Amino acid sequence: AQTVTQSQPEMSVQEAETVTLSCTYDTSENNYYLFWYKQPPSRQMILVIRQEAYKQQNATENRFSVNFQKAAKSFSLKISDSQLGDTAMYFCAFMEHTGNQFYFGTGTSLTVIP
Amino acid sequence: GAVVSQHPSWVICKSGTSVKIECRSLDFQATTMFWYRQFPKQSLMLMATSNEGSKATYEQGVEKDKFLINHASLTLSTLTVTSAHPEDSSFYICSARVVGTGELFFGEGSRLTVL
Repeated sequence: AQTVTQSQPEMSVQEAETVTLSCTYDTSENNYYLFWYKQPPSRQMILVIRQEAYKQQNATENRFSVNFQKAAKSFSLKISDSQLGDTAMYFCAFMEHTGNQFYFGTGTSLTVIP
Repeated sequence: GAVVSQHPSWVICKSGTSVKIECRSLDFQATTMFWYRQFPKQSLMLMATSNEGSKATYEQGVEKDKFLINHASLTLSTLTVTSAHPEDSSFYICSARVVGTGELFFGEGSRLTVL
């Protein structure tokens, strides 16, 4: 099984500031997908951003961007201009290109402080 | 965006009974669906990968006779917790992969409480 590691169990950031959440993974595959999901108290999983491993360009979605370092197997999430609604659990996830396995990291609890 | 419906959203049952949870992709076909279990303040643990028309692939440590998974159509997968016990109480989440893509959508989750 692939492993996904998030080394920051909890983080906090001041409103309007920038925060970076870390994620590393281990795989022998060359082609795969990486994701960041947000899970608010409702527990509904919400896709934040997705990266395809064969694409060198880092994915961006409005205030969310990633730093994808394939050789280092690192996939960090940067949240700019943090908002109170960003408070949630954030999970990094890995999926093989064939889509037969999908694994989550341990999660980072992010709190945005007003 | 695509919608995955999971039902029931919560269920309470007596110890020894069986409970079925449904996961439906409402507006797309999903050859692959995943079932997860999540304990409070923990991550989602992959239980099994469900492929349409074939047997599910279970993760190590997950009892296949305990957690029966059926994926009979491209839009429906079911998880049946057989002879449920209090330790099976948890939050169960399904996700469905859009055919031929890396897109994945999640159900709302089902909270199971076994008395």
